[in-house]
Amino acid sequence: DAGITQSPRHKVTETGTPVTLRCHQTENHRYMYWYRQDPGHGLRLIHYSYGVKDTDKGEVSDGYSVSRSKTEDFLLTLESATSSQTSVYFCAIRGTGLAGTNEQFFGPGTRLTVL
Amino acid sequence: KNEVEQSPQNLTAQEGEFITINCSYSVGISALHWLQQHPGGGIVSLFMLSSGKKKHGRLIATINIQEKHSSLHITASHPRDSAVYICAGTGNQFYFGTGTSLTVIP
Repeated sequence: DAGITQSPRHKVTETGTPVTLRCHQTENHRYMYWYRQDPGHGLRLIHYSYGVKDTDKGEVSDGYSVSRSKTEDFLLTLESATSSQTSVYFCAIRGTGLAGTNEQFFGPGTRLTVL
Repeated sequence: KNEVEQSPQNLTAQEGEFITINCSYSVGISALHWLQQHPGGGIVSLFMLSSGKKKHGRLIATINIQEKHSSLHITASHPRDSAVYICAGTGNQFYFGTGTSLTVIP
C-alpha cells in the first residue's frame, strides 16, 4: 500500500456543475498524476505535477484544471462538468523502485457520473 | 496508433490453463510494467522489469528489449486471476496499453 487516497470515491453530479477530486499521498513523492480510464481507451493522462505549484498538461486536459499547493495533495477540478467527463479517475504517484527505475502507484479511483 | 499495444483484448480460459498476454511497444522505454485491475477495483503493480524475466508465484513476466516485446504468463490459472491486465512502459512519460480482460472459468 503506497499511501494514496482519493476522495470522493463515488460522485454523481449534474452537467454544468463544478467538481473537485482530491488525491492525497503520505509518501512525499514529487510526481503526481491524474488519469481517466474509459472502455476502449485505457488510462489517459489528464494533468501531472512535478512539484508544488508545478503542473503540466497531459493528452486529455481540456475541461480540467489542477492545483498543487502542498506536496501531499493534488486536486483535479472539472470547471463545468459534461457527460463526456463521466469516467473513472485515478491518481498516481511516481516513486523510485529498485535500481533507480521509476514505479507508479495508483490510488483506489473515483467513479464520477455526470448526468 | 497507440505506443503500447496488447493482445489479445479479451481472453477466456478454463481453470488450470497456461495463459499468455502479449505487449509490444514502439517507443523507447526504461522499464516495462504489468498492472492488474480487478473488476471495480484499483490498479496494482505486478511487475516492473527492464530486462530478462521475473517470477512471482504463478506469474512470470519476460521482456525482449531488441524486439520491444513483453509477455505475461500465468501458470495453472485460477478464477481469482480474472482481471484486466495492463502493460505500461516508462519513458519520458508512462505509456499504457488498453488492457487485456481475462476471465478464468472454473
